[in-house]
Amino acid sequence: DAKTTQPNSMESNEEEPVHLPCNHSTISGTDYIHWYRQLPSQGPEYVIHGLTSNVNNRMASLAIAEDRKSSTLILHRATLRDAAVYYCILRRYGGSQGNLIFGKGTKLSVKP
Amino acid sequence: EAEVAQSPRYKITEKSQAVAFWCDPISGHATLYWYRQILGQGPELLVQFQDESVVDDSQLPKDRFSAERLKGVDSTLKIQPAELGDSAMYLCASSSLTSGGATDTQYFGPGTRLTVL
Repeated sequence: DAKTTQPNSMESNEEEPVHLPCNHSTISGTDYIHWYRQLPSQGPEYVIHGLTSNVNNRMASLAIAEDRKSSTLILHRATLRDAAVYYCILRRYGGSQGNLIFGKGTKLSVKP
Repeated sequence: EAEVAQSPRYKITEKSQAVAFWCDPISGHATLYWYRQILGQGPELLVQFQDESVVDDSQLPKDRFSAERLKGVDSTLKIQPAELGDSAMYLCASSSLTSGGATDTQYFGPGTRLTVL
């Protein structure tokens, strides 16, 4: 599976937008880009995923570069509850049995 | 909203003792995963089940770890004997696993925090 690179940590102010970057320069054409987050003392939870086009849901937006070598998770208005570790994960269609391969992720801190 | 259930939430044991963790996936989810998460790192897969069959246990330390999902519903992960290095969070997840595993959502339980003394 292709590798992703994320900053170790980021800080944001409450009610401001947050852009969490992810580099995946070795992405293949059948790799989907997934984001999960893990709140303190909880299991990870799904945030969003996409293949080529930008995606929006109630939690966040996913902006995918035209060459797909990078993507950005956008939280439009950060709240204190968004403080978590955010993982960017590539999953290949028809590839490894479906399990998620986590890196160390980006720890997001949100200041009031 | 349906959730993945795990118990116990916390377990403290002494090394060389046996421990067991239980997971009840979301109803109807055929695929069940056990992950281990060491403090400061992302979760790593230990074993994956499709119904009652093991699909991937390549990262499971089989000399001391075992996992079963006898009726294809709930699952048990056992460690015997526990070692100091087994201290970690043990997470269970389930999914319906469609589209070749590329787009299904995995739903995680709250985890079991194991401390081995």
